[in-house]
Amino acid sequence: GDSVTQMEGPVTLSEEAFLTINCTYTATGYPSLFWYVQYPGEGLQLLLKATKADDKGSNKGFEATYRKETTSFHLEKGSVQVSDSAVYFCALSDQDYGGATNKLIFGTGTLLAVQP
Amino acid sequence: NAGVTQTPKFQVLKTGQSMTLQCAQDMNHNSMYWYRQDPGMGLRLIYYSASEGTTDKGEVPNGYNVSRLNKREFSLRLESAAPSQTSVYFCASSEVRLGPTWNQPQHFGDGTRLSIL
Repeated sequence: GDSVTQMEGPVTLSEEAFLTINCTYTATGYPSLFWYVQYPGEGLQLLLKATKADDKGSNKGFEATYRKETTSFHLEKGSVQVSDSAVYFCALSDQDYGGATNKLIFGTGTLLAVQP
Repeated sequence: NAGVTQTPKFQVLKTGQSMTLQCAQDMNHNSMYWYRQDPGMGLRLIYYSASEGTTDKGEVPNGYNVSRLNKREFSLRLESAAPSQTSVYFCASSEVRLGPTWNQPQHFGDGTRLSIL
């Protein structure tokens, strides 16, 4: 079945460092891909998404490009801040061709800790 | 601007007790979901409801039941709690569309932290 694999954490960076969190996926169809972020004590929030190959999702300085040839959707940010400290989840949609719903399959999450 | 509201936020149960987790959304979404989050395992889908009146099993449904009470509310019930069900439970909802924009994001509540002794 479909699955998502993301790099294990924690990832510890200094403020203004470059961030990459790797995510690869396995899917039989044509999934959409997502990055969600979870701040301490909160639920998940959508960070960005891409719906087809070569699409780039971006938000709040974060970017990820849907690479079908490498089945990857790596998250990047050029200069992280302390406020970016959170858990980041890569996810893909389990497409229901009937359009009834759009279940998500999540990776295990990567904890990012940014130090001042 | 509540979005998805879960109650309670915290709960401690003894093995064998029963409990219902409540979830309500005010975004007029058709689909609703229940996940559990465990360390090192990400979020796993327990049950989902594609629309009012329908429910389906997800990846880890054993030990749980759900009720889609109306379009707004989707509850999760533990009939006889077990320590293995200690987890953080998240409810989510999403809009449903057909065609090229079918894949709408899910909106999450803040979670219920459940401990079973």
